[in-house]
Amino acid sequence: DGGITQSPKYLFRKEGQNVTLSCEQNLNHDAMYWYRQDPGQGLRLIYYSQIVNDFQKGDIAEGYSVSREKKESFPLTVTSAQKNPTAFYLCASSLRDRGAGELFFGEGSRLTVL
Amino acid sequence: AQRVTQPEKLLSVFKGAPVELKCNYSYSGSPELFWYVQYSRQRLQLLLRHISRESIKGFTADLNKGETSFHLKKPFAQEEDSAMYYCALPSGGSYIPTFGRGTSLIVHP
Repeated sequence: DGGITQSPKYLFRKEGQNVTLSCEQNLNHDAMYWYRQDPGQGLRLIYYSQIVNDFQKGDIAEGYSVSREKKESFPLTVTSAQKNPTAFYLCASSLRDRGAGELFFGEGSRLTVL
Repeated sequence: AQRVTQPEKLLSVFKGAPVELKCNYSYSGSPELFWYVQYSRQRLQLLLRHISRESIKGFTADLNKGETSFHLKKPFAQEEDSAMYYCALPSGGSYIPTFGRGTSLIVHP
């Protein structure tokens, strides 16, 4: 069954703790993305990666980190430096081709900081 | 810088009524625009893209370069159309999608 898998679906964290959200895809897509979805603010880009071992900051990268050691995987770490981490996080992937490609999304991970 | 504006947070209509979800963009090049939809308890997915000029689930969207708009339209709304709709503009050399803030469409019976 092809697609994008995010885990965990729900995560609770105490202030001051780092947490890592997993994103795995078996679509053989080159590009992967992390977005943050907040009510009334739409989707905001955190980080993206267009190829293994390379990634770029998006609009709201502060307090987050990523790695891209494998084509299939693009984990996101929410660090204690992120001031307002409670949010819904979406991972996506797309073919890296000429022009823009369709984004395929995971089901999301909801992080709540207690 | 590219920007996507969806002026309505919420659009509420009755079943059978026409619906138009507005999207305006600012982009200096030749834009390629998308509409994504998120139904309740489902993942965000592509609805349509302007290049394909398709009608998906009765929805159409026309790119109007003069008005810099890409409004999503459906002549007769159905209850199952209730969802969150996002307009997106992939742009720049890397074609990274920029999303609007989204419009929540509620179709009443």
